[in-house]
Amino acid sequence: GAVVSQHPSRVICKSGTSVKIECRSLDFQATTMFWYRQFPKQSLMLMATSNEGSKATYEQGVEKDKFLINHASLTLSTLTVTSAHPEDSSFYICSAFGPGNTDTQYFGPGTRLTVL
Amino acid sequence: QKEVEQDPGPLSVPEGAIVSLNCTYSNSAFQYFMWYRQYSRKGPELLMYTYSSGNKEDGRFTAQVDKSSKYISLFIRDSQPSDSATYLCAMSGGSGTYKYIFGTGTRLKVLA
Repeated sequence: GAVVSQHPSRVICKSGTSVKIECRSLDFQATTMFWYRQFPKQSLMLMATSNEGSKATYEQGVEKDKFLINHASLTLSTLTVTSAHPEDSSFYICSAFGPGNTDTQYFGPGTRLTVL
Repeated sequence: QKEVEQDPGPLSVPEGAIVSLNCTYSNSAFQYFMWYRQYSRKGPELLMYTYSSGNKEDGRFTAQVDKSSKYISLFIRDSQPSDSATYLCAMSGGSGTYKYIFGTGTRLKVLA
């Protein structure tokens, strides 16, 4: 299957700082990527849809100025959590449609963010 | 009522048992049905993908979709301790309506 990577896998930062998370499709081009957030023992919550070369589409209730998404190439999308606060601590996971289809999403390994 | 309902478990079974995991849904527009396995602190891994109604088998895994009952199942035969994980069902309306709606996940423990 298609491989999606994320970096970093874990990050700890101080409150008020900004954190950038990268999502890469390793062996295919991804015009659309998705960013999810997952709280402990809960399911995935879609935050936004990232489209290469255009603005991201955010889900209701997700602050676009807080969670900046950039999809500058066909293999890379980034999520920047700006002015992070402890309540932003969570597991962030990206996904992409597999090569040649828009039905099956392949997920990255996730990034655990802890804001002190 | 949630669009997708899934029993969170935990579900504990002995090694070698047949495991049945289920989801129900309310949106008749769903056409694509997926099962993901997620180990602790890892991203979800695609296990099975089914379009519309019917059965699909892959090794020890069988996925069933009954659109008339809005009910999907994942069966795991000869379960192993390595199958211990959270299993998430996901659904979408397909091309053009690509958003996934996830179940809450069922935690499975296979006891050696």
